[in-house]
Parts: sequence; structure tokens; C-alpha cells
Amino acid sequence: QKEVEQNSGPLSVPEGAIASLNCTYSDRGSQSFFWYRQYSGKSPELIMSIYSNGDKEDGRFTAQLNKASQYVSLLIRDSQPSDSATYLCASTSGTYKYIFGTGTRLKVLA
Amino acid sequence: EAQVTQNPRYLITVTGKKLTVTCSQNMNHEYMSWYRQDPGLGLRQIYYSMNVEVTDKGDVPEGYKVSRKEKRNFPLILESPSPNQTSLYFCASSFRVSYNSPLHFGNGTRLTVT
Repeated sequence: QKEVEQNSGPLSVPEGAIASLNCTYSDRGSQSFFWYRQYSGKSPELIMSIYSNGDKEDGRFTAQLNKASQYVSLLIRDSQPSDSATYLCASTSGTYKYIFGTGTRLKVLA
Repeated sequence: EAQVTQNPRYLITVTGKKLTVTCSQNMNHEYMSWYRQDPGLGLRQIYYSMNVEVTDKGDVPEGYKVSRKEKRNFPLILESPSPNQTSLYFCASSFRVSYNSPLHFGNGTRLTVT
């Protein structure tokens, strides 16, 4: 079974700190990776996509991909209380599916 | 505005009463999918569609039906709802399941079956 795994958390960080969220995947054929933010009771919202090894930055967010280690991470710089949410990692491979992790709950403490 | 629209947002029904949750996207996406989300279980795929008239089962298809007669619409049908189908449902779409094609989600439908 192809899987995406995340630590459920909660991950607690103080306001202004860097939050580091991690995700591992089992399918070496996975090509695309996505990070979504989901507030309680709301729909997932796309934050970042990453397809190549290395870092991709967008504002306060940096996604990192290491295909050799089958590892994806999301860094949130200058974390704000409004960043408190569940972060979902997802991948696609050769199958007709998006595979989601169960999410990491982030709490940014004011 | 590019979006995925689900209706209704909230639905309370009784066991056995057939219902339909509608989903429509205005982005000319080929791929559409339904998920349910329950506490501690994450997003679980119910059905998906690669294109018009092409649908297939996801991980938890029992008790659900779908159809894809038009590219923009992908309704979810519960012919005889049961309490274990109480959940938060999301419709999502993408250009296709391929490189550089993220899923876009609707706002969700919270279903309660009593």
C-alpha cells in the first residue's frame, strides 16, 4: 500500500519561530508533492507544490524535497497564531490517485 | 473566479432517505474526486473520475454512487444513507493526475444521518 506518513502532532512553536513539518512517502515513483493547510471544519487549501529535489520558497513558506530519502518538509518562518492549523502532505505517482497523509496539527503560541 | 462548488454545505437527514450532494467546477478540469474526512482518519477517497463517463472506486466506495455525465459536474449519491456515513465530505478537482497538477477542494458538506 502506497503511503504518505506524517506525525500527527500537535507541534507547538512560539510566535515568530520556524515551524518544521515533515512527511515521508513509500512510493519511489511519486513525482509531485503538495502541502495543504486545513483549518478545523474547513477545506484544505493549497500552500505549496514541489516536484524537483531541493528547496522551493514562497513568502514565509519553504518546501524541501529529497527523493533519495523519500522525504518532504515544509518550513514556516516567522510563525503566526493564524498559522495554527492542520497541514496535509500529499503526493501523486503513476496511479490515478492523490495520496494524503493524515496531517500534522500545528499550534503557534502567542 | 475559479472554484469548486459543493451544495449543500450542511445536511441533516434520516436513515434510508436518498440524497445527492452536488459538485461543480468551472476550471475545465478532467479529474474530479470525492473524499470523506473523519476525526483521526484523514481524507479517504470515495470515488474519482478521470473524465466524462469514466469513474472508479476509491478506498471507501461502499454505500455511495457517482456519475460524470458532464465535465463540470460530479454528484455524490447516497441511495440509502446510514449513520456511519455521517461525515465531512469534500469534492475536489484537478486538470489531471499528473505532474504539476494540484487538487482544488470545494468548501465541504457536513452530513449528519440520524
